[in-house]
Amino acid sequence: SQTIHQWPATLVQPVGSPLSLECTVEGTSNPNLYWYRQAAGRGLQLLFYSVGIGQISSEVPQNLSASRPQDRQFILSSKKLLLSDSGFYLCAWSKGANYGYTFGSGTRLTVV
Amino acid sequence: KNEVEQSPQNLTAQEGEFITINCSYSVGISALHWLQQHPGGGIVSLFMLSSGKKKHGRLIATINIQEKHSSLHITASHPRDSAVYICAVRAGNEKLTFGTGTRLTIIP
Repeated sequence: SQTIHQWPATLVQPVGSPLSLECTVEGTSNPNLYWYRQAAGRGLQLLFYSVGIGQISSEVPQNLSASRPQDRQFILSSKKLLLSDSGFYLCAWSKGANYGYTFGSGTRLTVV
Repeated sequence: KNEVEQSPQNLTAQEGEFITINCSYSVGISALHWLQQHPGGGIVSLFMLSSGKKKHGRLIATINIQEKHSSLHITASHPRDSAVYICAVRAGNEKLTFGTGTRLTIIP
């Protein structure tokens, strides 16, 4: 069966520090991978998606970047965190446009 | 105006009541998703719809493509159904556009 792992679950980081959130998928190959953010009191917003190794599409300009070094690994990074980067970050995967999504358990990031 | 509007924003009901959550959208879509987010933040995909109606246990989802409207129903509601229910639409590309969610509280 397919599973998705996301870590860490919670993270408190000072402004200006780097960030690395990791997401891995098991039990499938060549998944579409997504990073979403949910700011306090707001809906989910797509940050990045990837349809293959090394292929990253960015939806909104921001202080973050994403990489897909392996087929089932998706990493969200920042060189210098801002206060506005605080939020709940969710990784998800899908087989494609006509399929449902499976979400990771999320990372709650607080930038202080 | 948001592309995806949900109503109500908050809903409190007694255990056993029939629950309806509504979702309206303003763009042509290829699919609509209903998601459930529990207090810890984890999200579970409930349904993906492109037409008609789907049922899973006590949950029923319907969609009217012409009216750009979907409903999520919960029969015989239970306190464990308490969560935020999120509607999301896909307009043919990789991007899902999300509603802001409906917070449902079921009182024993």
